[in-house]
Amino acid sequence: GNSVTQMEGPVTLSEEAFLTINCTYTATGYPSLFWYVQYPGEGLQLLLKATKADDKGSNKGFEATYRKETTSFHLEKGSVQVSDSAVYFCALSPKGSNFGNEKLTFGTGTRLTIIP
Amino acid sequence: SAVISQKPSRDICQRGTSLTIQCQVDSQVTMMFWYRQQPGQSLTLIATANQGSEATYESGFVIDKFPISRPNLTFSTLTVSNMSPEDSSIYLCSVSSSRRNYGYTFGSGTRLTVV
Repeated sequence: GNSVTQMEGPVTLSEEAFLTINCTYTATGYPSLFWYVQYPGEGLQLLLKATKADDKGSNKGFEATYRKETTSFHLEKGSVQVSDSAVYFCALSPKGSNFGNEKLTFGTGTRLTIIP
Repeated sequence: SAVISQKPSRDICQRGTSLTIQCQVDSQVTMMFWYRQQPGQSLTLIATANQGSEATYESGFVIDKFPISRPNLTFSTLTVSNMSPEDSSIYLCSVSSSRRNYGYTFGSGTRLTVV
């Protein structure tokens, strides 16, 4: 079945540091890949996505590239801010004929804390 | 993308009672998904709700414990029945956009504490 393996946290960085959160996946075919963010006390928000190999998703300074050869979708940001402190989830959705009506499979989440 | 209104946002309930969580979507959607997020854990899918048919439950979840209604294309409810402290979690509903590129949208979640 489908699975997502995500870098374990928690991760603590200083402001303006470089961030990488690793994510690899196992799936049949070519799934769509997502990063979601959960700020304290809130629900999940879509941060970025990629739907095919070599696509780069980007938003709010975060980037992730869909790497088919390494089945990875690592999240990166060049200079983190205190406001980036949150839990980050990598997820995938299969892209079969029922696309859009299939469940998401989530990684375990990585708690990120940025200190001033 | 769709906007979801989920309520209640939080509740504290006595063991043995039931709580019904509501999700209202601002557009018609085919599928609605209900997830559970236990403290410090990732999200686990409880069931998928399709309008006009019974929900499809994931392994480990049963209809008697988590009955779901889906009366129309914009609304669904999840009931957590006969609650115990182990049911303390965040419950979230989710829908997929009718446009492929928008991904999945989540409600703000219901934080449930069972005492």
